[in-house]
Amino acid sequence: GAVVSQHPSRVICKSGTSVKIECRSLDFQATTMFWYRQFPKQSLMLMATSNEGSKATYEQGVEKDKFLINHASLTLSTLTVTSAHPEDSSFYICSASGTSGGYEQYFGPGTRLTVT
Amino acid sequence: LAKTTQPISMDSYEGQEVNITCSHNNIATNDYITWYQQFPSQGPRFIIQGYKTKVTNEVASLFIPADRKSSTLSLPRVSLSDTAVYYCLVGDTSFNNDMRFGAGTRLTVKP
Repeated sequence: GAVVSQHPSRVICKSGTSVKIECRSLDFQATTMFWYRQFPKQSLMLMATSNEGSKATYEQGVEKDKFLINHASLTLSTLTVTSAHPEDSSFYICSASGTSGGYEQYFGPGTRLTVT
Repeated sequence: LAKTTQPISMDSYEGQEVNITCSHNNIATNDYITWYQQFPSQGPRFIIQGYKTKVTNEVASLFIPADRKSSTLSLPRVSLSDTAVYYCLVGDTSFNNDMRFGAGTRLTVKP
């Protein structure tokens, strides 16, 4: 199946700083990418949907000025957590769908963010 | 977007067949049914996808009745490594298919 990578796999940052997480589709063009966050023992919560070259669509309750999403190319989307706080500590997962031939989404391995 | 309902948890023993059922009463004509597996601190992994009747691959089978209001994921002869959370998702086939996850089913396989 198609491969989606995320970088970094884990990051620790201080409160008030910003952190950027990259999501790449390695062997297909991702027309749409999705960002999720997951707290321990909970399900994935969709944060936003982004289409290449256009602004992301955020889910209700997700602050677009705090979670900046850029989908500048068909293989790369970034999520920047601005002015991070301890409550932003979570597992962030991206997924991509596109020209891989199937209808399923392909998920990245996730990024563990810890804000101290 | 169709909402899905699954059992919160299931227990099984090694070597048994496990069937996890998902209800999706409001499924639309264009919706496919997709199942994912997730291990702790990993992204979900695609297991199987289907539209109707039965689909089988090397790891699982998916049974979908004629009314498509439910589906059953069947895992043959589970092992300890199948302990994971299993999610059923329903969505259409466009590339803008946004998939909101339900609670999933936590499967525990015991020796």
